[in-house]
Amino acid sequence: GAVVSQHPSWVICKSGTSVKIECRSLDFQATTMFWYRQFPKQSLMLMATSNEGSKATYEQGVEKDKFLINHASLTLSTLTVTSAHPEDSSFYICSARDSEAGELFFGEGSRLTVL
Amino acid sequence: ELKVEQNPLFLSMQEGKNYTIYCNYSTTSDRLYWYRQDPGKSLESLFVLLSNGAVKQEGRLMASLDTKARLSTLHITAAVHDLSATYFCAVGLDDMRFGAGTRLTVKP
Repeated sequence: GAVVSQHPSWVICKSGTSVKIECRSLDFQATTMFWYRQFPKQSLMLMATSNEGSKATYEQGVEKDKFLINHASLTLSTLTVTSAHPEDSSFYICSARDSEAGELFFGEGSRLTVL
Repeated sequence: ELKVEQNPLFLSMQEGKNYTIYCNYSTTSDRLYWYRQDPGKSLESLFVLLSNGAVKQEGRLMASLDTKARLSTLHITAAVHDLSATYFCAVGLDDMRFGAGTRLTVKP
C-alpha cells in the first residue's frame, strides 16, 4: 500500500534549538498533508493543514510562528519546531491525502524530546 | 465544531469475551475511521465507513456506522491478547477529529 515516510523517527535536542521534521509521500502525490501532535496517553490533535504551494492553515491555539510548515512539492511537507522547549516534547504524526485516489495515509511518527 | 466522543476510555477484557467500543460525533460527516495504535507507534488503519448502515469486518473486529444517530461501534469478538492496543475513531475529511481513544487490554 501507499507509504508516508517521516524523518527523523526520533530526535533529542536542547532547549532553544530548532528541529525540522519531514513528511514524504513515497508513491503518490499529495496536495494536502496534515500535521498532528500527540502527547503521552492522549489523542491526536490536528495542528495544521499543509497545502502544496500555499500557506498552511493552522488550528486555533497553534502558534504559526513556532510551528513552521512548508509544503514545497507534491511529495514533501516539513514541520519546523522553532526555539523548542521541553513542553514541545511530543509525538508528531503527519498524514497525506492521495490527490488522485483521495485516500489518507499516516506517517510513522516522529518523537521529539526537548531537554 | 465537530466533537468526537469515545467510550469506554479504558477496557480490560478476558480472552474469549466480546465487547463493544462506542464512538459518537456531534455533526454530520460523510466518513468515519477506526484506527489501532500500539505503544510508541503510529496509526494503523482498520476501517473506513462511508455510508449509513455500513458494516465492515476484519477478523475479530467489526465496525458499523449509523449516520442518523451519529454513532459508530467497534465490536470485538472472542478477544485475544494480540488485540491489546489503543483504538481511535476519527471523523471528518480534511479536518479529521479524533476521539480520545480506548485503551484495550486483553488478559489471558
